[in-house]
Amino acid sequence: EVQLVESGGGLVQPGGSLRLSCAASGFTVSSNYMSWVRQAPGKGLEWVSVIYSGGSTYYADSVKGRFTISRHNSKNTLYLQMNSLRAEDTAVYYCARALRRDGYQVVGAFDIWGQGTMVTVSS
Amino acid sequence: DIQMTQSPSSLSASVGDRVTITCQASQDISNYLNWYQQKPGKAPKLLIYDASNLETGVPSRFSGSGSGTDFTFTISSLQPEDIATYYCQQYDNLPPWTFGQGTKVEIK
Repeated sequence: EVQLVESGGGLVQPGGSLRLSCAASGFTVSSNYMSWVRQAPGKGLEWVSVIYSGGSTYYADSVKGRFTISRHNSKNTLYLQMNSLRAEDTAVYYCARALRRDGYQVVGAFDIWGQGTMVTVSS
Repeated sequence: DIQMTQSPSSLSASVGDRVTITCQASQDISNYLNWYQQKPGKAPKLLIYDASNLETGVPSRFSGSGSGTDFTFTISSLQPEDIATYYCQQYDNLPPWTFGQGTKVEIK
């Protein structure tokens, strides 16, 4: 079964760090475009970051320079290292895989999502 | 960055009604536009990709159209299980990619 399971969320003080993990099963993370999307409490969805299968990475302006997306091929796991956390980073963080169709990937369409992990930044 | 303006922010309709949501991009995004459904406490679900392609397993009462800057999402006959918040999302060229503000659909 194709599945994504996030972990690593929790309560952290402003200025602190946290690393989120997203364990994949049923497919290979390194062969896919993988993104992080977040949702602040009661708010809409915000795309955060993507890592391409070739290794290129991109970030939303709101997290650039503070967050780092990466993957561990042998663990088939995606990560999001979050540093210098702010109150406005409080959200549920989802990892998501880009849609696969007829041998290609629709880079920016997300068909497989994890259940989400909550990050709360507060003193 | 490309901004997405989605409207309305909420709507109330009766079972069986036709429901339409619009999304406008701040610049031409061709057909790089997706639609998602999100129910409370759940992850989003992809319904439509590339403006008009129905994702596998999604009921045919859902449809999308448009290109360039103006896009439309339609539920042809609203069902009770369609109560959710719907989001458009653009992925033109390189990131950053952006979502619309969302439309909460309720039953009248």
